[in-house]
Amino acid sequence: DVKVTQSSRYLVKRTGEKVFLECVQDMDHENMFWYRQDPGLGLRLIYFSYDVKMKEKGDIPEGYSVSREKKERFSLILESASTNQTSMYLCASAVWDKASREQYFGPGTRLTVT
Amino acid sequence: DAKTTQPNSMESNEEEPVHLPCNHSTISGTDYIHWYRQLPSQGPEYVIHGLTSNVNNRMASLAIAEDRKSSTLILHRATLRDAAVYYCILRDRNSGGGADGLTFGKGTHLIIQP
Repeated sequence: DVKVTQSSRYLVKRTGEKVFLECVQDMDHENMFWYRQDPGLGLRLIYFSYDVKMKEKGDIPEGYSVSREKKERFSLILESASTNQTSMYLCASAVWDKASREQYFGPGTRLTVT
Repeated sequence: DAKTTQPNSMESNEEEPVHLPCNHSTISGTDYIHWYRQLPSQGPEYVIHGLTSNVNNRMASLAIAEDRKSSTLILHRATLRDAAVYYCILRDRNSGGGADGLTFGKGTHLIIQP
């Protein structure tokens, strides 16, 4: 079974802090994604990566950056956390196959910024 | 991605089959039908996908109408662990890059009664 793990289930940070969220997948998938999920707003794509050191902006990249130094690891960085970044953060990975393209999600990190 | 319509909620009894409908009248010839579900406080989980023919896997079956304007996710014997929000989405097999990001609607909240 595909396994996607995230570094923390719950995280509390202060406004202005730099926050690192880590995601690791064990299925050698090329594609990795970072989403945030908020009530009433659904799932929104922040960034994705289709290869090591490659990244592309999603729908809401402002205030975030990402790093992919190894194929299995994709990190989301909040440069200076703000209260409007309080959310559930979800990482996903997918094989580069247009016929299937199912995504496998981690358990999520619930981040609270105070 | 083209739009889908699902009922807001459905209720079923444990150990009975569940049929979750999805309408997608504007589906194009290159759209795959994907289903995901999200259990409380968990990341979304891929369930099944198909193009034209009915599909079966260990989790569920997907029945696709002949005109492809609707589909039904079938859980053959629901358990309490199947209580979740179920999302039906369309994925264009010709898209890629940022379009690979998933967008969920409100989905169907499935309630299982013991």
